Amino acid sequence: DAGVTQSPTHLIKTRGQQVTLRCSPKSGHDTVSWYQQALGQGPQFIFQYYEEEERQRGNFPDRFSGHQFPNYSSELNVNALLLGDSALYLCASSRDRGGPDTQYFGPGTRLTVL
Amino acid sequence: KNEVEQSPQNLTAQEGEFITINCSYSVGISALHWLQQHPGGGIVSLFMLSSGKKKHGRLIATINIQEKHSSLHITASHPRDSAVYICAVDTSGSRLTFGEGTQLTVNP
Repeated sequence: DAGVTQSPTHLIKTRGQQVTLRCSPKSGHDTVSWYQQALGQGPQFIFQYYEEEERQRGNFPDRFSGHQFPNYSSELNVNALLLGDSALYLCASSRDRGGPDTQYFGPGTRLTVL
Repeated sequence: KNEVEQSPQNLTAQEGEFITINCSYSVGISALHWLQQHPGGGIVSLFMLSSGKKKHGRLIATINIQEKHSSLHITASHPRDSAVYICAVDTSGSRLTFGEGTQLTVNP
């Protein structure tokens, strides 16, 4: 059983460009959450997708958008990249069972904006 | 003030020592998670707690809902336990709010 996978592993972009990150959840999981982790800090919640819709959103600008596909995989898109967007982007999957559930994290995508 | 506070930020121990990492939170939660992050970024879930105490091998996690406090204990610490340990609270539907993490180094 494959765990959560993310691609690409590393990415280098320049300011103003756009980037798409991908996440495949653990088998049987229907909820995908995205987090941004700046160096030396704890992860920050970006948004969560369930049933192909954004269910919750953290304090991130509209430049950050996402999508969930019928197979539960998800994408995170960031437009007009800023230097401050350089971070490790983590995807976590879980099951919606009406209560808290263990979250399984992917290895992350390290984005560097030059 | 952060909603989730961890202490200490850094902890250095000798192999075999008993280790405690503390977490305090200021919001209502449905569960509290203890996570482990190794260099390179991968995060592994250690525990999810709603009440009481859980044990897995040498790791023990406790939570006091009334005091909004949780502790992670490592017994007989080993150099392979060296990692960042993160406390995170589930405030709404699997939305996690994280602490800053505790960098643990266990020396042989």
